[in-house]
Amino acid sequence: DAGVIQSPRHEVTEMGQEVTLRCKPISGHDYLFWYRQTMMRGLELLIYFNNNVPIDDSGMPEDRFSAKMPNASFSTLKIQPSEPRDSAVYFCASSSDSGFYEQYFGPGTRLTVT
Amino acid sequence: AQSVTQLDSQVPVFEEAPVELRCNYSSSVSVYLFWYVQYPNQGLQLLLKYLSGSTLVKGINGFEAEFNKSQTSFHLRKPSVHISDTAEYFCAVSGPGTYKYIFGTGTRLKVLA
Repeated sequence: DAGVIQSPRHEVTEMGQEVTLRCKPISGHDYLFWYRQTMMRGLELLIYFNNNVPIDDSGMPEDRFSAKMPNASFSTLKIQPSEPRDSAVYFCASSSDSGFYEQYFGPGTRLTVT
Repeated sequence: AQSVTQLDSQVPVFEEAPVELRCNYSSSVSVYLFWYVQYPNQGLQLLLKYLSGSTLVKGINGFEAEFNKSQTSFHLRKPSVHISDTAEYFCAVSGPGTYKYIFGTGTRLKVLA
């Protein structure tokens, strides 16, 4: 398996623009997680899905952030409008019911908002 | 509520020396505990986990950790480190019935030649 795939790997955008991050989980995994990593706040869980349904979005910072999972092999995290404080590395991870709680992380998307 | 504390933000150690990275947790229910490693510009990778059973857990790359319920700790150890172990290490807690992790703030291990 190719592992968790994220795109793009790097994104530079101007404040006010819409940003869409994409994730393809490992085939057969039931759970998908979106994390944000910054120096100041460390690794934060933003939202996670089970069988394409959002289970916990309490970590989503504000209404500018939204996440969808239209099918088992694709998820998006959208920021609209983006702000400089959204600059971070965003990770997607997936897990399965039979995986004994292990999460598999993608390589991350480094977002810079100028 | 669950929480994780990694007391050391940075740990420098010479090559071939032993190392211990500390992790303490807080939880009112049963816990599952994890250590992940993050190499520069990469995602996190599981080193080891404790779900139940033996309190001494062995992982990849020669790492091990011991679950100590009375001290609410899950410290990570390696008897002899290599330059290639230079990375950031994260402790995480979860529990039965939830796939949601609470991560610690990370410990940056720097192995010196």
